[in-house]
Amino acid sequence: DVKVTQSSRYLVKRTGEKVFLECVQDMDHENMFWYRQDPGLGLRLIYFSYDVKMKEKGDIPEGYSVSREKKERFSLILESASTNQTSMYLCASSLGGNVNYGYTFGSGTRLTVV
Amino acid sequence: AQTVTQSQPEMSVQEAETVTLSCTYDTSESNYYLFWYKQPPSRQMILVIRQEAYKQQNATENRFSVNFQKAAKSFSLKISDSQLGDTAMYFCAQVMDSNYQLIWGAGTKLIIKP
Repeated sequence: DVKVTQSSRYLVKRTGEKVFLECVQDMDHENMFWYRQDPGLGLRLIYFSYDVKMKEKGDIPEGYSVSREKKERFSLILESASTNQTSMYLCASSLGGNVNYGYTFGSGTRLTVV
Repeated sequence: AQTVTQSQPEMSVQEAETVTLSCTYDTSESNYYLFWYKQPPSRQMILVIRQEAYKQQNATENRFSVNFQKAAKSFSLKISDSQLGDTAMYFCAQVMDSNYQLIWGAGTKLIIKP
């Protein structure tokens, strides 16, 4: 069974901390994505990556960075966490060049910044 | 720019009833894919059904079916014999054949009442 694993289900961090959200997929997918999900706003794309060491900004990249050193791992980094980054974060992956099967998602990390 | 609109923020029906969730989209592309995803309270985003734009036949997966009206740019989801486990957020999404990014609707919260 294909899987996308997010390292933490719940996370509480203090304002100003550097936060790492990890995502690992075991499907050999080329594409990986980080979304933020807030009530009434749906899913908003933060960053995505088409290949190792490649990254592209999504719709709301401010305050975030990403790292993809290996194909299976895509990390989201909050350089200095702020309370407005309290949210649900979803990681997803998809096969490169074959979009018709959609994305496979992780189970999400609910981040609270206090 | 491509957009996906779900006009029903919330719906509720009795168990065993049939319910239809609406989705409209806007694109100038000729080939694309449409998806319905389900996100239950467990937060795992699950692919429910997908439709390829060049296929005229409506997709069906057990109790889930779509009404795809390409000229009207409409892609509604019908759930027959609804069950308590169908309670979830439902998201409509679109992806072009030319890129890998899903465009998401804001979601519809569906509640199945016993």
